[in-house]
Amino acid sequence: TAGITQAPTSQILAAGRSMTLRCTQDMRHNAMYWYRQDLGLGLRLIHYSNTAGTTGKGEVPDGYSVSRANTDDFPLTLASAVPSQTSVYFCASSDTSGRATGELFFGEGSRLTVL
Amino acid sequence: GQNIDQPTEMTATEGAIVQINCTYQTSGFNGLFWYQQHAGEAPTFLSYNVLDGLEEKGRFSSFLSRSKGYSYLLLKELQMKDSASYLCAVMDSNYQLIWGAGTKLIIKP
Repeated sequence: TAGITQAPTSQILAAGRSMTLRCTQDMRHNAMYWYRQDLGLGLRLIHYSNTAGTTGKGEVPDGYSVSRANTDDFPLTLASAVPSQTSVYFCASSDTSGRATGELFFGEGSRLTVL
Repeated sequence: GQNIDQPTEMTATEGAIVQINCTYQTSGFNGLFWYQQHAGEAPTFLSYNVLDGLEEKGRFSSFLSRSKGYSYLLLKELQMKDSASYLCAVMDSNYQLIWGAGTKLIIKP
């Protein structure tokens, strides 16, 4: 089925280690996003990409980097993980072309624990 | 600053009606979204409002008043499977989504 796939589903990581969360979509959406979701807080945007080859910083970008080499893939990298990055991470995509509402389609999430 | 407010938690009875409110203050407005999120799962799209008024979709309806910075999600004939968090989000003038913290809806038999 068409959709958006994230990997891994969950991961325990030692502080100071690096980690890449993978995200792939097959809907040919131009825009992709990475959010983190923490208890009691709304979804917070980490980084986004409006089209392949471009990226932008969201509300909480520090400690994270992204790339958008093609339409389908949007990996999120933690260069040196810290315990405050323990969270559930959601990748999402949307069609932001003219008539589209910009509805987001989410991956199933990646639960990351940094010890 | 930009802000989305919605109640933290609500409780309702199976078969009843519940209204979840959302108020917002944002830099510009390009639409308001409601998403449903079951525990441990990803959010899924419920509704989109960009003009004032009521949008009905089966048991769910969403209302918008842009002048009041206010929306509500109305759920009718509640079922146990409606137990979930409901997220309100507003698209601002830069086409970025601002999210509320979500309303956890508990349905009791």
